Amino acid sequence: DAKTTQPNSMESNEEEPVHLPCNHSTISGTDYIHWYRQLPSQGPEYVIHGLTSNVNNRMASLAIAEDRKSSTLILHRATLRDAAVYYCILRPEDAGGTSYGKLTFGQGTILTVHP
Amino acid sequence: DAGVIQSPRHEVTEMGQEVTLRCKPISGHDYLFWYRQTMMRGLELLIYFNNNVPIDDSGMPEDRFSAKMPNASFSTLKIQPSEPRDSAVYFCASTHSLGALHFGNGTRLTVT
Repeated sequence: DAKTTQPNSMESNEEEPVHLPCNHSTISGTDYIHWYRQLPSQGPEYVIHGLTSNVNNRMASLAIAEDRKSSTLILHRATLRDAAVYYCILRPEDAGGTSYGKLTFGQGTILTVHP
Repeated sequence: DAGVIQSPRHEVTEMGQEVTLRCKPISGHDYLFWYRQTMMRGLELLIYFNNNVPIDDSGMPEDRFSAKMPNASFSTLKIQPSEPRDSAVYFCASTHSLGALHFGNGTRLTVT
């Protein structure tokens, strides 16, 4: 399975933008890039996903490099509620592959937001 | 929608006892995942099902662990016999056609 590399931790101030990087140099053409986050004492929750084009939703934006070997999750204005562990995951969506649909979490980035 | 429902929320048992964790996925979802989370190992995928059929169980630690999905609305994860090192939070998650994964609130298992 293709792996992702994220910084162990990052810090931000409230109401400032946050850019969370993820490297995935072994990504294959059918791997979707997914981001999840886990708030303290809760299960992970979906944030955003994409394949090639940049994506926006109400929670965040996802910027994907042209060669797809890296991506960045952007929180436009961090709030205290955004303090969480953020996971960048590659999801194989090759229907003929043995790992089709498999979602494997790494260690993630611990985001601290200062008031 | 009630979301993914897991039971029990907390389970404390003695070493050697059988433990059964339960999960009700969101109606209409065709994929179901079981994860285990510990401080040391993070979130580990144990097994996942598609249309009630196990697709990949390579994450199941050993023969003491087994998972079943007898129908689209119910799944169990069983540990027999349980050991202290099985203490963890176990999450169930479901999704429809590889959309966003929806997680339950987890079962916190303590084996003494």
